[in-house]
Amino acid sequence: EPEVTQTPSHQVTQMGQEVILRCVPISNHLYFYWYRQILGQKVEFLVSFYNNEISEKSEIFDDQFSVERPDGSNFTLKIRSTKLEDSAMYFCASSGLAGYTDTQYFGPGTRLTVL
Amino acid sequence: AQSVAQPEDQVNVAEGNPLTVKCTYSVSGNPYLFWYVQYPNRGLQFLLKYITGDNLVKGSYGFEAEFNKSQTSFHLKKPSALVSDSALYFCAVRDEGTYKYIFGTGTRLKVLA
Repeated sequence: EPEVTQTPSHQVTQMGQEVILRCVPISNHLYFYWYRQILGQKVEFLVSFYNNEISEKSEIFDDQFSVERPDGSNFTLKIRSTKLEDSAMYFCASSGLAGYTDTQYFGPGTRLTVL
Repeated sequence: AQSVAQPEDQVNVAEGNPLTVKCTYSVSGNPYLFWYVQYPNRGLQFLLKYITGDNLVKGSYGFEAEFNKSQTSFHLKKPSALVSDSALYFCAVRDEGTYKYIFGTGTRLKVLA
């Protein structure tokens, strides 16, 4: 069964450093998403991406964040200058063409620790 | 704005007994509702969804959920719990007019042998 994959599984970085989190969505999916989950808290939407542009973003997704689909398979989330409060589990998800009724399938997550 | 509430932080149930994990929702249009499960150090795994049609939705691993419009609920159920069902369960609703999911706070299910 196809699945979303994410690398790395755990990333440790110093405050102020740039990080790039990588995702490979399910191959025939066209909508891509990033969510995050701060330890012990709920899963929060960050951004959705379709047709090579951001469809919508939350207030969390400020100028420090960016997303990119650099080739036909990868989808990345970049944090330019990490803060302590960016420490969280970051989930990538993808969905197909069924519109609002389609299911988002999530990857295993990248745990980001900012020191 | 759409929202979901999971009123129980934790649910304990004995193996073999039926389980229910509760979710209530608040939407302004058609509710698109989902259940996901998260095992330790794993991602969110899709269990089932309600879009339209039959109020009883069947999903993976023997789980089902009942959509109740009058009570605005979408409780997750399983007739006979397994120890391996112990995990964190999230209810989610699609925000109206967007692709964004709004998640509940999660309910930790503990199935006791």
